[in-house]
Amino acid sequence: DAGVIQSPRHEVTEMGQEVTLRCKLISGHNSLFWYRQTMMRGLELLIYFNNNVPIDDSGMPEDRFSAKMPNASFSTLKIQPSEPRDSAVYFCASSLTGGELFFGEGSRLTVL
Amino acid sequence: GDSVTQMEGPVTLSEEAFLTINCTYTATGYPSLFWYVQYPGEGLQLLLKATKADDKGSNKGFEATYRKETTSFHLEKGSVQVSDSAVYFCALKNTGGFKTIFGAGTRLFVKA
Repeated sequence: DAGVIQSPRHEVTEMGQEVTLRCKLISGHNSLFWYRQTMMRGLELLIYFNNNVPIDDSGMPEDRFSAKMPNASFSTLKIQPSEPRDSAVYFCASSLTGGELFFGEGSRLTVL
Repeated sequence: GDSVTQMEGPVTLSEEAFLTINCTYTATGYPSLFWYVQYPGEGLQLLLKATKADDKGSNKGFEATYRKETTSFHLEKGSVQVSDSAVYFCALKNTGGFKTIFGAGTRLFVKA
């Protein structure tokens, strides 16, 4: 069975550019989480969806960040405009409601 | 609020040494407790879990016991291997809640 699939694995961009990260959930899972990992702040939960509906976006750092689930199996995280302090590894994770998390391999973002 | 505290790393051991990584938690209610492992360049994956007091989770030679009286969930392994080198995260999730709270992670290096 395919796991959580993220793309791109690596992204290097310049400050001010738009960045879109993508995530495909495991088939049958109905919960989706976006996390950000940095050395300084560890793992931070950015946003959580259940059944395609955003439940908690209190971790989204600023209005420059937005996330969508256009269907039950796919999500995007967009940063516009990007800044150097957004450099991090972004993970998405899926689960059945209340179950264990299954993480993707992450998207490493570098903003110059 | 709920939180997880785990020992700072890095922890450096020789192959076949005994491993303990300490984890304590603060939570309202009766959380489930988890250890996740992150190998280099990968996302986190569930290593083991325990859902109620005195439960022992185990997997791949690792064990952890849910101790309600000391609010702890220490990870142990009797004989580590080089392939166990990774970052280990202690985590909790309250019953009925959606958010998994992660500790800061402990990096383990195992030398041959």
